[in-house]
Amino acid sequence: KQEVTQIPAALSVPEGENLVLNCSFTDSAIYNLQWFRQDPGKGLTSLLLIQSSQREQTSGRLNASLDKSSGRSTLYIAASQPGDSATYLCAVPSSSNTGKLIFGQGTTLQVKP
Amino acid sequence: EAEVAQSPRYKITEKSQAVAFWCDPISGHATLYWYRQILGQGPELLVQFQDESVVDDSQLPKDRFSAERLKGVDSTLKIQPAELGDSAMYLCASSLMEVNTEAFFGQGTRLTVV
Repeated sequence: KQEVTQIPAALSVPEGENLVLNCSFTDSAIYNLQWFRQDPGKGLTSLLLIQSSQREQTSGRLNASLDKSSGRSTLYIAASQPGDSATYLCAVPSSSNTGKLIFGQGTTLQVKP
Repeated sequence: EAEVAQSPRYKITEKSQAVAFWCDPISGHATLYWYRQILGQGPELLVQFQDESVVDDSQLPKDRFSAERLKGVDSTLKIQPAELGDSAMYLCASSLMEVNTEAFFGQGTRLTVV
């Protein structure tokens, strides 16, 4: 059974800092991994989708890496801004139903001006 | 930009009452999902449709929850009767295909049962 863990649960940094969010998963036989952003009381916004054949995916100040063999992904945010404050969730397809996403509990990020 | 539409955004209902949520996926997306998210946790799948057929409803409490996608486009999720423990965010998502494609989520419906 696929399980996803995100550490830390919460993170507070000063504006301008570079930071890394971590995601680990138990079953390495995944098609892809997706990172989402969630603002308070809102839905999920897809940030990056990394295919299993890729090691990295970049979008603006965001860079996501994937190491399937070790069951880990990281989301790197460069030059953080107060507007980056949100909860970041990673998700991988279920082992038994590849359409179903298994989510971590998220990392809540606060970027202080 | 195409979006997944959900309504209502917020719903307050008394326990034992019926409540319904609506979702319109991105045009052309064959796969539609309903997830439930309890505060502080990640979303969990309730039901998954491929076109109008249910693919996975193993986590749907079928004694009180029902879902349909009659024409393979929009979908309705119903709870009857609502219980206090149903208070959560209900999220609809869609993807182009069932396997290995990006999932896009709507803004969600925040349900409060009093």
